[in-house]
Amino acid sequence: GQNIDQPTEMTATEGAIVQINCTYQTSGFNGLFWYQQHAGEAPTFLSYNVLDGLEEKGRFSSFLSRSKGYSYLLLKELQMKDSASYLCAPMDSNYQLIWGAGTKLIIKP
Amino acid sequence: IAGITQAPTSQILAAGRRMTLRCTQDMRHNAMYWYRQDLGLGLRLIHYSNTAGTTGKGEVPDGYSVSRANTDDFPLTLASAVPSQTSVYFCASSDKEGATEAFFGQGTRLTVV
Repeated sequence: GQNIDQPTEMTATEGAIVQINCTYQTSGFNGLFWYQQHAGEAPTFLSYNVLDGLEEKGRFSSFLSRSKGYSYLLLKELQMKDSASYLCAPMDSNYQLIWGAGTKLIIKP
Repeated sequence: IAGITQAPTSQILAAGRRMTLRCTQDMRHNAMYWYRQDLGLGLRLIHYSNTAGTTGKGEVPDGYSVSRANTDDFPLTLASAVPSQTSVYFCASSDKEGATEAFFGQGTRLTVV
């Protein structure tokens, strides 16, 4: 079956760095997306990885290891506005996104 | 209209009633999707459409139907609502089928009582 595993909740301090891990099992693989979702709002796109390695985009970076079925999202210089849920979503062989339940990130001053 | 718009924003519906959730996008995206999001669960795909005139079933299609008469609109219909359909519904679109970013509407919060 298809399965996504990411922590339910994480807490970090403003200005710090946090890494949100995601492990996945899918039927085929066509890349992995990370989305951010603030409470009561729609998900918004953060990153896409299809090859192994690190993709950096400003304060956010995303890493993929296809052989391990593993990805992480790294957030640097945390700001209060980064408090949100972060959704890991690999894409299967049919190009369908398989969504994790998300990691709720709480930023404390 | 800018992007993808859903209506209504929220609705309380009596069980057994018929309801259509509307979704319109102005980005000329070929692919459109309907998801439901429930607390503690990931987004679950209800139905999708890869291009105007075609639709497909997702992970949880029972009790829902869709149509795609044109590129811009992708309504979702609940023929006879049940309490288990209480959820937040998101419509999304992407430029083409395949590994491309999806854009989401603001969501419809539906409560079936």
